Order: sequence, then structure tokens, then C-alpha cells
Amino acid sequence: DQQVKQNSPSLSVQEGRISILNCDYTNSMFDYFLWYKKYPAEGPTFLISISSIKDKNEDGRFTVFLNKSAKHLSLHIVPSQPGDSAVYFCAASDLPGNQFYFGTGTSLTVIP
Amino acid sequence: DTGVSQDPRHKITKRGQNVTFRCDPISEHNRLYWYRQTLGQGPEFLTYFQNEAQLEKSRLLSDRFSAERPKGSFSTLEIQRTEQGDSAMYLCASSLYGSYEQYFGPGTRLTVT
Repeated sequence: DQQVKQNSPSLSVQEGRISILNCDYTNSMFDYFLWYKKYPAEGPTFLISISSIKDKNEDGRFTVFLNKSAKHLSLHIVPSQPGDSAVYFCAASDLPGNQFYFGTGTSLTVIP
Repeated sequence: DTGVSQDPRHKITKRGQNVTFRCDPISEHNRLYWYRQTLGQGPEFLTYFQNEAQLEKSRLLSDRFSAERPKGSFSTLEIQRTEQGDSAMYLCASSLYGSYEQYFGPGTRLTVT
């Protein structure tokens, strides 16, 4: 069963505009969420995280929003840059050190 | 920078052969994880270790899969009698006990012909 879902396989955005990537989850026990960025032939790179006690976390151009009641989180990238073109995975866990459950990824293309 | 390293980066093998992959975690990390990623999917958890103890292995895909971390440092993942369905990217990650963040290696791409 897919406990973490990313329903948009791909997204194209113009350079300078906002990119919004979405993620939904089903397990109410999840209390920590991460976004990873992945380039071809490389492993996922940690991007940003959020704990369930927060509803927003910001790091530079990247902001993650968490809506626990809707079991939904989103990643906002502003402004988008061509170097942001990659596959973005949402991941969730219920305890520190436990396995992460990953979504299927969204391929972001930022058009110059 | 001593990030997570994996060896080999690519492995091509014939069906029925055994393969072994190695993962060297970030040196101070005591937790080590193995994931598998197939095309169009996110990483799928296989097993993990805290130091040398394997704390979860029920998600290993079959009894042909086994993993070790004998001295609590590097780990190996072995697949016996490989099948074409084993073709995937095998990812290793490490973390500090009590931390959520897992740091991934570059992966080993396995192709079974």
C-alpha cells in the first residue's frame, strides 16, 4: 500500500516563477516529513524537513507547508531556477531512525 | 567530505549469479539503511541496522536477500540467484541514532541479464 503519494509525475515551471510540489499521506502516525531532491544517476539529497508540530518550515528559496488535518504537505520553491530541475521525493516517518516511506516522485523542469 | 559511499556503482550480472554490494556510511552514523528503487518509484525500504544489530529485516524482498554489518561500520547487501526482477537501484543511507535525517549514497545500479 502506498502510504505516501505524489499524484503529479511531472511539473514544468518558468524560471523565476513559483514551483509547488504536492504530497499526500494516509498514515496519521507519521510525524516527520522530508523532501529529497534527486538528479539522474545520483542518490537522493536531503532538501528540507518538517516536524508534525509545525505547519511551515522555510530554508532560503524552499518552504514546506504541512496540513495535518488534510494529511497534505507541499514544497514551494521561489524563485525557481533551472538548476532546480530534478525529481523531488516526499518521505515520511513515524519515529526517529525508523524507515522512511517515499512517494513516487515529481519530476520538475524549470524552463529558462 | 566523507559522505555515504557505495561500491560498485554499476553491476551487470547474469541471471542466477550472486552479487554483493558494499556501503560505507558517514563515519559517526550508527544507523544504516538499505532501500531499493525501481523505475518510476520512490525508494522502498529493505532493512536497517543500528551498529551491528539488524533491527528490521522483514521487508527484505525474499530469502535470497541478506545484509550484514559485522563491525558496525560498513555493510554489505547480498542477492543470491539473481533474477531479472532484481534489476534496480540499490541505495544505502545512514543517520545518527535519534535523528530523522537520512543521508543517501549514490546507489548501485544492478542489471540482471
